[in-house]
Amino acid sequence: DTGVSQDPRHKITKRGQNVTFRCDPISEHNRLYWYRQTLGQGPEFLTYFQNEAQLEKSRLLSDRFSAERPKGSFSTLEIQRTEQGDSAMYLCASSFGQSRATNEKLFFGSGTQLSVL
Amino acid sequence: AQKITQTQPGMFVQEKEAVTLDCTYDTSDPSYGLFWYKQPSSGEMIFLIYQGSYDQQNATEGRYSLNFQKARKSANLVISASQLGDSAMYFCAMTGYSTLTFGKGTMLLVSP
Repeated sequence: DTGVSQDPRHKITKRGQNVTFRCDPISEHNRLYWYRQTLGQGPEFLTYFQNEAQLEKSRLLSDRFSAERPKGSFSTLEIQRTEQGDSAMYLCASSFGQSRATNEKLFFGSGTQLSVL
Repeated sequence: AQKITQTQPGMFVQEKEAVTLDCTYDTSDPSYGLFWYKQPSSGEMIFLIYQGSYDQQNATEGRYSLNFQKARKSANLVISASQLGDSAMYFCAMTGYSTLTFGKGTMLLVSP
């Protein structure tokens, strides 16, 4: 399978715990994106990397959220001290882009569904 | 700032009929791209079709076509000959000088 893969598919945690999600992009893609999707809404941008550099972060990304892409390959998204409002689907996407091309197509993974009890 | 509006929360269509899903957008970027993605119950976002703001012709991909009306800032998706497997959430999205921005989506249900 050469698509974007995310692990785990589902995560149930108690409020206050830390969670970490992993995303493996398509191997030749240099850009990696994290989105959050709540029920009945479209995906909302969180952050993106070009290679290992984190180039943009949304205001949605509070200081409890941190994302890394240490070697420009896989990425992790960590949420510290989880809150019930963090319950959502976390989607990862990757693409190949050089400049800010308007036709850049993102390939998405199946997401990690987080439930905070 | 970019904004995508999808005014139809849900649509119903019978198998083999055509259906149009509405999308309007707002942006100050002179160059932008418009996308439609399909999200089945499995959760994965599947790319369907792309239209560039400077493209002269409407995009088509198999049974999918994009009715692009630039002056009206609309980018409606037309699905011809609907199939049961088309039942899913459909999202309109756009790029410009910022990352991909999505609308709230339309749930399409195809009945036999």
